[in-house]
Amino acid sequence: TAGITQAPTSQILAAGRSMTLRCTQDMRHNAMYWYRQDLGLGLRLIHYSNTAGTTGKGEVPDGYSVSRANTDDFPLTLASAVPSQTSVYFCASSDAPIAGSSYNEQFFGPGTRLTVL
Amino acid sequence: AQSVTQLDSHVSVSEGTPVLLRCNYSSSYSPSLFWYVQHPNKGLQLLLKYTSAATLVKGINGFEAEFKKSETSFHLTKPSAHMSDAAEYFCVVSVSPAGFQKLVFGTGTRLLVSP
Repeated sequence: TAGITQAPTSQILAAGRSMTLRCTQDMRHNAMYWYRQDLGLGLRLIHYSNTAGTTGKGEVPDGYSVSRANTDDFPLTLASAVPSQTSVYFCASSDAPIAGSSYNEQFFGPGTRLTVL
Repeated sequence: AQSVTQLDSHVSVSEGTPVLLRCNYSSSYSPSLFWYVQHPNKGLQLLLKYTSAATLVKGINGFEAEFKKSETSFHLTKPSAHMSDAAEYFCVVSVSPAGFQKLVFGTGTRLLVSP
């Protein structure tokens, strides 16, 4: 079982260009998430989706957009990249949270290392 | 509001000696608590989780953690370190305040294991 795959593994991008980071999971999880990891800051949530067709904003959503057309795919788009978006991006998935519960394990992909120059 | 404080950015131990990674949390809700491990250039893997069933939680690879509500702590321990334990460890508070699961990560503790 592949779990979660992310593409590309790494990318160097010129400022002002757009880019889509891809994420696919094969665990039939309803919920998916995008995080960025920056040195000394841990992981921060960018956007999430509890089920296909719905998305929500996380802690640091500005400059990013997501879509969730089906259960398996959750692409993250940078419309016009800026150097502060240089980071490692992780996609994750989990069973959909039941209202009031918070114990579902989130499974993480291997990450995409993005450098914006 | 929720927050996590990992008290040490780096911990160095010798192989075969005990490991202690410290974590304190703050949460307005009744939280679930996790420890995740990240090996170099890899994604995150769940070590263990606390969900109110038992205060002492056992995880993979010999790790365990004890939830102490009075101290708002969830420290990670292992009796004997192995070279393969060298990695970054994240303490995480998980809450579900508005219909989605929110993970709040600590800033991480890098565990160094020397021969």
